Amino acid sequence: NAGVMQNPRHLVRRRGQEARLRCSPMKGHSHVYWYRQLPEEGLKFMVYLQKENIIDESGMPKERFSAEFPKEGPSILRIQQVVRGDSAAYFCASSPQGTTNEKLFFGSGTQLSVL
Amino acid sequence: GQQLNQSPQSMFIQEGEDVSMNCTSSSIFNTWLWYKQEPGEGPVLLIALYKAGELTSNGRLTAQFGITRKDSFLNISASIPSDVGIYFCAGLEGGSNYKLTFGKGTLLTVNP
Repeated sequence: NAGVMQNPRHLVRRRGQEARLRCSPMKGHSHVYWYRQLPEEGLKFMVYLQKENIIDESGMPKERFSAEFPKEGPSILRIQQVVRGDSAAYFCASSPQGTTNEKLFFGSGTQLSVL
Repeated sequence: GQQLNQSPQSMFIQEGEDVSMNCTSSSIFNTWLWYKQEPGEGPVLLIALYKAGELTSNGRLTAQFGITRKDSFLNISASIPSDVGIYFCAGLEGGSNYKLTFGKGTLLTVNP
């Protein structure tokens, strides 16, 4: 089985541009979670989505950040008008149901660098 | 949000040595998880703990869920070079079955 696929692996943007990060969950998984990892920090929860629904976005910054998980296609984390502080590794995880246990798998992440 | 204090921040050991790292919290967690992250990759689950006092092994790794539910430790016995990486503890917040809080990680370096 293919794992959680994230692309691109590396993304470079200039301040003010938009960043779009994609995540395809594991086959059979319908729950997606996005986490952000700043340098030398642990991962921090951002948002939890099911197909066409945002379940919990309590970790998302109030402005410029949005996430979706459409009926067809990957989940997208979108950052508008990026700033240098958005530079981080963004990880997506998926599970077959909304519980965190051995069935939660992380992708390899997207490293976003804002110049 | 809740915070996890993980220590030590880094460890530099010789191959064959045993390693111990721990996490503490001021809040109760219902589940403790230990992950390993290698450079350029996402975290991979090593051990999951669900009950206070639970002691679980996975090969050379052993982890325990503290009785107070506010701490956990991970031991690695007879370390080998491929144990190198960052080890994270993570707790599942009370009332949530999906939102993980991560520690800042322990960077382990093993000298052959």
